[in-house]
Amino acid sequence: SSELTQDPAVSVALGQTVRITCQGDSLRRYYASWYQQKPGQAPVLVIFLNDIRPSGIPDRFSGSGSGNTASLTITGAQAEDEADYYCSSRDSDYNYVNWVFGGGTKLTVL
Amino acid sequence: QVQLVQSGAEVKKPGASVRISCKASGFTFTDYWMHWVRQAPGQGLEWMALINPSGETTRYAQRFQGRVTVTRDTSTSTLYMELSSLRSDDSAVYYCARDNSQQRDGFTGWWFDPWGQGTLVTVSP
Repeated sequence: SSELTQDPAVSVALGQTVRITCQGDSLRRYYASWYQQKPGQAPVLVIFLNDIRPSGIPDRFSGSGSGNTASLTITGAQAEDEADYYCSSRDSDYNYVNWVFGGGTKLTVL
Repeated sequence: QVQLVQSGAEVKKPGASVRISCKASGFTFTDYWMHWVRQAPGQGLEWMALINPSGETTRYAQRFQGRVTVTRDTSTSTLYMELSSLRSDDSAVYYCARDNSQQRDGFTGWWFDPWGQGTLVTVSP
């Protein structure tokens, strides 16, 4: 099966911009989605189809994708953005139906 | 509003089975595929299973084949997941999530939205 690779941890100063990346072969075939998860809570969708922001998600969240890499950017990070972030896509392995998640990136807002 | 509400926490002994429910509201349940995803303590998200709108087609992650069964009751808009032969490493929070997909520019994307609140399953002797 495919894998999606994320940096385990990233930090950003309050009000600054941070980019979280996700790499994997499946991203060459399928769009990525991104999820924010705060402690003790269920994941929340923040980006789908690489760069679409659902209603209700602040516009400081944006996404992009190229080749085997998808990125989530937070422009002007706020304290409430401190969370784990996961990327996901359909597995590109033809042998079976599967979805994959990255290992998650823990974002710390300093 | 669109919502998925899951059943409560479970404590099971090794070798037992657990059945979790997920009740949908705020959308037409029979229009959507549905997923199960789990998260072990301190770990990441892991996809487990998918079921089609009618409940006739299921797909399971290879590592759960033979142990997991996903069903749905369209009359009550409820999704179920049963995991058998439980082991200690099955201790996790289990989430249901609605499938969404769209094609754009010749590529397809899927996303999970919304998610249930999660059900903690603890497997302990």
